[in-house]
Amino acid sequence: DAGITQSPRYKITETGRQVTLMCHQTWSHSYMFWYRQDLGHGLRLIYYSAAADITDKGEVPDGYVVSRSKTENFPLTLESATRSQTSVYFCASSDGLGNTEAFFGQGTRLTVV
Amino acid sequence: AQKITQTQPGMFVQEKEAVTLDCTYDTSDPSYGLFWYKQPSSGEMIFLIYQGSYDQQNATEGRYSLNFQKARKSANLVISASQLGDSAMYFCAMRLSGGGADGLTFGKGTHLIIQP
Repeated sequence: DAGITQSPRYKITETGRQVTLMCHQTWSHSYMFWYRQDLGHGLRLIYYSAAADITDKGEVPDGYVVSRSKTENFPLTLESATRSQTSVYFCASSDGLGNTEAFFGQGTRLTVV
Repeated sequence: AQKITQTQPGMFVQEKEAVTLDCTYDTSDPSYGLFWYKQPSSGEMIFLIYQGSYDQQNATEGRYSLNFQKARKSANLVISASQLGDSAMYFCAMRLSGGGADGLTFGKGTHLIIQP
């Protein structure tokens, strides 16, 4: 199916474990983004990527790692999960700057216990 | 750095009335885009409308229009003839048009509830 998909949709993990959230898009969009959504904060940018092998930090990157070896995939890894990383994570993609909307995945609800 | 402010955490509106959701923004960059997204209770983010900083006319998409006042740095969303299905969180967002792919900056959102 065309679009942007995230997996898993729901994840419960323990403090200290490594967790990887997957994001796959079929449009060949150049730009991809990871956001986290928390009550009272809206969506905040964690990392973004302008193309394969090009990534950069957003507003809240600490504790997260990303990679982009292929244009269509943009996994987000929590190296050692903490309770403060309990959140809903959204992946998004777009094909240009400024005047093009970002398309969002369905979100991954992550709970760290 | 860009900043988006949505001053209405929640709103209750009667069905069929028009709704205005406030959004102000702050940036020193002259070239940017403004977006509104809807997030229903199911959680997905749905793009509604876009306004470019150099656009001369206010954007419209069906029942949605964007009241863009550049001098006041405001980009309010207007929903005409509200429906029960409009109940959702609404986010205003901004993205710079050039010089880096730094993503959307979001406001904290407005929770809109349409009452029958």
